[in-house]
Amino acid sequence: GIQVEQSPPDLILQEGANSTLRCNFSDSVNNLQWFHQNPWGQLINLFYIPSGTKQNGRLSATTVATERYSLLYISSSQTTDSGVYFCAVAGGGFKTIFGAGTRLFVKA
Amino acid sequence: KAGVTQTPRYLIKTRGQQVTLSCSPISGHRSVSWYQQTPGQGLQFLFEYFSETQRNKGNFPGRFSGRQFSNSRSEMNVSTLELGDSALYLCASSPGRSSGANVLTFGAGSRLTVL
Repeated sequence: GIQVEQSPPDLILQEGANSTLRCNFSDSVNNLQWFHQNPWGQLINLFYIPSGTKQNGRLSATTVATERYSLLYISSSQTTDSGVYFCAVAGGGFKTIFGAGTRLFVKA
Repeated sequence: KAGVTQTPRYLIKTRGQQVTLSCSPISGHRSVSWYQQTPGQGLQFLFEYFSETQRNKGNFPGRFSGRQFSNSRSEMNVSTLELGDSALYLCASSPGRSSGANVLTFGAGSRLTVL
């Protein structure tokens, strides 16, 4: 099956700093999503981005499907950005595979 | 419109018991998928249903089962509970017609503790 690797596993930032989270996947996919899980466990969909670039406020994402990776950019980080960021992919079989996540802590 | 609703939110069971969790998807969504989240194994796919049919399943023992009703609501059942089944169980709904366009919306989860 498809393997998903996320890096870095942990990230500590000062408020206002920028960061880049990476997601590598082992096979072609037709679905890629980024999620943020808050401290209460709720998963929020940030982007649906199987290819190309999207932006939503301080967040943006880029997926290069031919090279099998996706990047999530967080600019001017805030304490509320803390949590775990997951990349999830599907290869066409209605089975979504999650990476292990990047745990982000933003210090005030 | 209402989001994905999971019940119960918290529950405690003892080894050997069984448990049933419920998931009501967003109105109009016909796909429901289930995931288990544990500190050691992360988020793992359990199964996915569309129009009452299971389209895919993960690598879990037969003690884990699910079903979907005609109104798209779904239940999952775990029989003969083990300590290792303690986890956050998450349900997601999506329109579901094609894998490529399946944007998942998650419920708040059901946190199961097995003693």
